[in-house]
Amino acid sequence: AQTVTQSQPEMSVQEAETVTLSCTYDTSENNYYLFWYKQPPSRQMILVIRQEAYKQQNATENRFSVNFQKAAKSFSLKISDSQLGDTAMYFCAFIPRNSGNTPLVFGKGTRLSVIA
Amino acid sequence: KAGVTQTPRYLIKTRGQQVTLSCSPISGHRSVSWYQQTPGQGLQFLFEYFSETQRNKGNFPGRFSGRQFSNSRSEMNVSTLELGDSALYLCASSLSPSGGGPDTQYFGPGTRLTVL
Repeated sequence: AQTVTQSQPEMSVQEAETVTLSCTYDTSENNYYLFWYKQPPSRQMILVIRQEAYKQQNATENRFSVNFQKAAKSFSLKISDSQLGDTAMYFCAFIPRNSGNTPLVFGKGTRLSVIA
Repeated sequence: KAGVTQTPRYLIKTRGQQVTLSCSPISGHRSVSWYQQTPGQGLQFLFEYFSETQRNKGNFPGRFSGRQFSNSRSEMNVSTLELGDSALYLCASSLSPSGGGPDTQYFGPGTRLTVL
């Protein structure tokens, strides 16, 4: 069974600073996708970034980037130039590539607070 | 394109009652998944529908059921409500193109169910 672990229940960062959220996962699959989702106080789950395991290049989306270490099964999210609107719960999620109907497996989440 | 919509946004029920939640996916998306989110258990997969067929089901009792219509809209039903069913119920849609392989899931705003 696949598992996703987020070891930091809570983090805080000063506005305009950089913060890194950690995620590790356990799987015997070789091809899979990894995601970071953001859930602000409004509770809407928003896709932040997606990484395909067979791509060596780390994904980036504006101020968000990942450090994907496949051998170490690590998938951290870096937020640069943190903004107050980045305050949210962040969930790391995993899905194997070779099954169309396998559900996302989520970590427990990291609560990030951006402080003015 | 309009995002995933869920109705109602909030519900208050009493133990023993039943409830029906609705989810309209992004236009063109054929797969709809349901998740339950609670502070204690985190995000747990309920079931996934594709082309009106349930393709996968999580580890929930038979009181939880769902269906999908020909226009891809989905409903989930919970019968004989228990206090522990109080949760945020999230619906997610994805393209799920033929040939398998997972696709990115996009979430709705959720339905907050409170059971008294």
